[in-house]
Amino acid sequence: DQQVKQNSPSLSVQEGRISILNCDYTNSMFDYFLWYKKYPAEGPTFLISISSIKDKNEDGRFTVFLNKSAKHLSLHIVPSQPGDSAVYFCAAVRQGGSEKLVFGKGTKLTVNP
Amino acid sequence: DTAVSQTPKYLVTQMGNDKSIKCEQNLGHDTMYWYKQDSKKFLKIMFSYNNKELIINETVPNRFSPKSPDKAHLNLHINSLELGDSAVYFCASSQDSGSGQPQHFGDGTRLSIL
Repeated sequence: DQQVKQNSPSLSVQEGRISILNCDYTNSMFDYFLWYKKYPAEGPTFLISISSIKDKNEDGRFTVFLNKSAKHLSLHIVPSQPGDSAVYFCAAVRQGGSEKLVFGKGTKLTVNP
Repeated sequence: DTAVSQTPKYLVTQMGNDKSIKCEQNLGHDTMYWYKQDSKKFLKIMFSYNNKELIINETVPNRFSPKSPDKAHLNLHINSLELGDSAVYFCASSQDSGSGQPQHFGDGTRLSIL
């Protein structure tokens, strides 16, 4: 039962362009969403998060958008850089509980120079 | 300084053996976790400890036993290893539980069962 889905296993973009990574969730009890970035042979690294009371959070080149009615969030990276090439995981959690993060399967982003 | 460190990085062993994976965090966090990333690449929570107390115990076989000697350490012991245990195991920590604090991950332990 996949509660967090990342339907695109991979995405390829040109350096300098925008990368848009998508994530859908099914559990309406989730109230906090996070994006993690993972390089090969390393652990996931926290990138950016958003609370369900907001619809946008921005941090430098990274912006996360949340559409609660559609149960959809997206991560925008602009401009994309070759160093952004990694696997991006979307995760969701219900706060105030046991803090169990539920991860999507990840999207491999490749930024071409 | 590595924030969350796991040892060993690679572990190759025979079916039926018992093995342990160690995890230490130097972030002063109260909560630690074990995740399993299987061949389908899903990262799934296995256990979570808050201040040495078990707070999450997913449907994991009894062969897996976490042990937290203090809040900076969470080790994972696996008895009678099976082929299906082959995966990458990640340790993580967060400041506390229940507040949406981001979790910090170790670099993983790749377990291969022959």
